[in-house]
Amino acid sequence: AQSVSQHNHHVILSEAASLELGCNYSYGGTVNLFWYVQYPGQHLQLLLKYFSGDPLVKGIKGFEAEFIKSKFSFNLRKPSVQWSDTAEYFCAVTLPYGNNRLAFGKGNQVVVIP
Amino acid sequence: DTGVSQNPRHKITKRGQNVTFRCDPISEHNRLYWYRQTLGQGPEFLTYFQNEAQLEKSRLLSDRFSAERPKGSFSTLEIQRTEQGDSAMYLCASSSDRGDQPQHFGDGTRLSIL
Repeated sequence: AQSVSQHNHHVILSEAASLELGCNYSYGGTVNLFWYVQYPGQHLQLLLKYFSGDPLVKGIKGFEAEFIKSKFSFNLRKPSVQWSDTAEYFCAVTLPYGNNRLAFGKGNQVVVIP
Repeated sequence: DTGVSQNPRHKITKRGQNVTFRCDPISEHNRLYWYRQTLGQGPEFLTYFQNEAQLEKSRLLSDRFSAERPKGSFSTLEIQRTEQGDSAMYLCASSSDRGDQPQHFGDGTRLSIL
């Protein structure tokens, strides 16, 4: 089945540690890729997006993601996390057909310990 | 940019009752989406409007669900004869027509069925 996969649903790490969250998708053809973040009590916010061009994209708050087409992956990274990065992170894909509706992964709950 | 507004924020109702949620998108956005999110899952697409036209509905949207966007501005999502399985967070998102523009999400309406 077509899907977006995120592994390691719960991630706990200390401040200043590096973070990498994996995202793999199974849709063929051209896709647009996104990472959204949901801080406690807040709505989903866009962290970064990839449509075309440089496969290494930089987003807000020091996050970056790399699109590797051959691996159908769009992994999110941050070199040094802060307590304020505690949130749930969702990878999403807009399908290559239809009305740009988003298909989301299950999310990664990230807890940063001060 | 006042953001996407949803109300109510929370709705608690007895099984079998009808409920209606409202979404006010960002004013210049033509596209409006409804998603549903259950615990431990990412948001799942329900339906999509381009202006006032409902152009796509997910198979998740049973006959008990109906959505409208009568004047191409705000939208309502109604659930008739609610069931326990309808308990979820209902999210609304909007975007402009441009293909490279991301969706902006509201805070959601959390529905609890007793």
